[in-house]
Amino acid sequence: DTAVSQTPKYLVTQMGNDKSIKCEQNLGHDTMYWYKQDSKKFLKIMFSYNNKELIINETVPNRFSPKSPDKAHLNLHINSLELGDSAVYFCASSPQGGGEKLFFGSGTQLSVL
Amino acid sequence: DAKTTQPTSMDCAEGRAANLPCNHSTISGNEYVYWYRQIHSQGPQYIIHGLKNNETNEMASLIITEDRKSSTLILPHATLRDTAVYYCIVRSGGSNYKLTFGKGTLLTVNP
Repeated sequence: DTAVSQTPKYLVTQMGNDKSIKCEQNLGHDTMYWYKQDSKKFLKIMFSYNNKELIINETVPNRFSPKSPDKAHLNLHINSLELGDSAVYFCASSPQGGGEKLFFGSGTQLSVL
Repeated sequence: DAKTTQPTSMDCAEGRAANLPCNHSTISGNEYVYWYRQIHSQGPQYIIHGLKNNETNEMASLIITEDRKSSTLILPHATLRDTAVYYCIVRSGGSNYKLTFGKGTLLTVNP
């Protein structure tokens, strides 16, 4: 069983479209995250949710809206996609807000044309 | 959180120990040292972490100097599958923490 799973793995879309990336974890963790890895390979945190509540929002444009229907899921919806949104997006989870280990998904490669 | 400095890249022969250094001279007393790695096209993977004592698990050993200003991650018998970018991260405790990834070290294990 995959601990943290993201779908889709690849996402190719046109500028201006709206798209969603789904993330699910079966580890029973309380905290989930979205990270973005750009073309220069820098990995930056975007959001963190703890028990469905937003705890970290790293100055991400409001076109990005995370949604956590329950603590096992954290989806990322992106409106009006721009070229600069092209990146690999990683979902992760940890046992608690201060958990020592983050478990990452395999990533979603988003290409905006 | 304290900043870290790592070499951009390193090479290691298969079967030999890989020693990856990390400087964190501004680390404070309550900050932990974490190591993650990212194999190409995969998500980052937790390796090990420590506060001031040396730590060992099934993947690696972590040696932290007595003044805690630097540390070394040791992969005792590197394999080709250990080729990856290794990130040394320093973070404080607390409930609303975030891991800040730097550029890391690209370790290439050669046959």
